[in-house]
Amino acid sequence: QVQLKESGPGLVQPSQTLSLTCTVSGFSLTSYNVHWVRQPPGKGLEWMGRMRYNGDTSYNSALKSRLSISRDTSKNQVFLKMNSLQTDDTGTYYCTRSILWVFDYWGQGVMVTVSS
Amino acid sequence: DVQMTQSPYNLAASPGESVSINCKASKSISKYLAWYQQKPGKANKLLIYDGSTLQSGIPSRFSGSGSGTDFTLTIRSLEPEDFGLYYCQQHNEYPPTFGGGTKLELK
Repeated sequence: QVQLKESGPGLVQPSQTLSLTCTVSGFSLTSYNVHWVRQPPGKGLEWMGRMRYNGDTSYNSALKSRLSISRDTSKNQVFLKMNSLQTDDTGTYYCTRSILWVFDYWGQGVMVTVSS
Repeated sequence: DVQMTQSPYNLAASPGESVSINCKASKSISKYLAWYQQKPGKANKLLIYDGSTLQSGIPSRFSGSGSGTDFTLTIRSLEPEDFGLYYCQQHNEYPPTFGGGTKLELK
């Protein structure tokens, strides 16, 4: 069945770089788009960016200067890197699959705290 | 970007009751609205897309309506597992944007 699972460090220091991995199963990264969405504690969901099935990427304009999304199709993994982290980057980070812009499967999320 | 506004922020109800959650877009998004359920420790679940199309496996007590700028998620005969957070999301244009969420609590 379709599964996505996020992994990465739970704690990142301010000004450092966040690196997260989304490992997928049950579908091919060359057939579906995979996105990153984040959620600050107690707040709503924010779309961050996507890796298209063909390898193209697009990013939320508010994060574009700090964000990079890449993939390794041989390992069924999509990566997120975001630099210059600040405390308001604290939250839960999700990877999710989409059909067009509808997010049909989600990972459980990984909590990231930005703190010294 | 299209701004999505949900109401109410909180909603308290009892099992067996019916409830409605509203979502308003800052501009017309045609029919292209999705609804998601969020519960602690579980993956977010897609309930409805295209305003009223029920995702496979979702119980028929969930229904969606609306078009343009105003949409409603209705849950009939609430079950205990329906309590949680609900989010709307427009999928009409880039970038996709979400509402602020509605917390459905047990009365």
